[in-house]
Amino acid sequence: AQKVTQAQTEISVVEKEDVTLDCVYETRDTTYYLFWYKQPPSGELVFLIRRNSFDEQNEISGRYSWNFQKSTSSFNFTITASQVVDSAVYFCALSEAGGTDKLIFGTGTRLQVFP
Amino acid sequence: DVKVTQSSRYLVKRTGEKVFLECVQDMDHENMFWYRQDPGLGLRLIYFSYDVKMKEKGDIPEGYSVSREKKERFSLILESASTNQTSMYLCASSFAGNPYEQYFGPGTRLTVT
Repeated sequence: AQKVTQAQTEISVVEKEDVTLDCVYETRDTTYYLFWYKQPPSGELVFLIRRNSFDEQNEISGRYSWNFQKSTSSFNFTITASQVVDSAVYFCALSEAGGTDKLIFGTGTRLQVFP
Repeated sequence: DVKVTQSSRYLVKRTGEKVFLECVQDMDHENMFWYRQDPGLGLRLIYFSYDVKMKEKGDIPEGYSVSREKKERFSLILESASTNQTSMYLCASSFAGNPYEQYFGPGTRLTVT
């Protein structure tokens, strides 16, 4: 069965600190996709990244970076030099290829960045 | 820009009422989804649709039904609202095949009293 675990319920940091949000997944498939979404206080989920299981290269986009490690079934998200605008709930999600395009979401991590 | 709109941001209904939540997308996406979001539980899939008039149950379909008569519109129906259906409801859409990213609407916060 598919499952996504985000063990960190809430994280608080001070601006300019680096912060890593953990995501651990379970799946029996060899082909799958992983996603990260951001949900700011306004409520609308915003897509951040999609990564397939064959691409283990780390990705960097500005202050955001993602570390995908199949050996530990993890897809962690790091924000470098955090800012107040990064305050949001972040969700990790999993989908298996060849299925119904459904996403299985983790329970989310609330990040609070204080000035 | 992909746009997913939901008919209401906030809704208050009484127990036993029939409730309609509407979702419209403008990107010609095949897939549409309805989730509910509750604290500590993340997003849970209620129903999804991969084509007009086609639907599949998600993880928590009990007490809900859906309708998709046109490609761009996906409605969630609470036949007889109950207090345990008080929640945030999120609609999303995506292209089909190769799981693509889903685009979300702003959500409807439903309170059933």
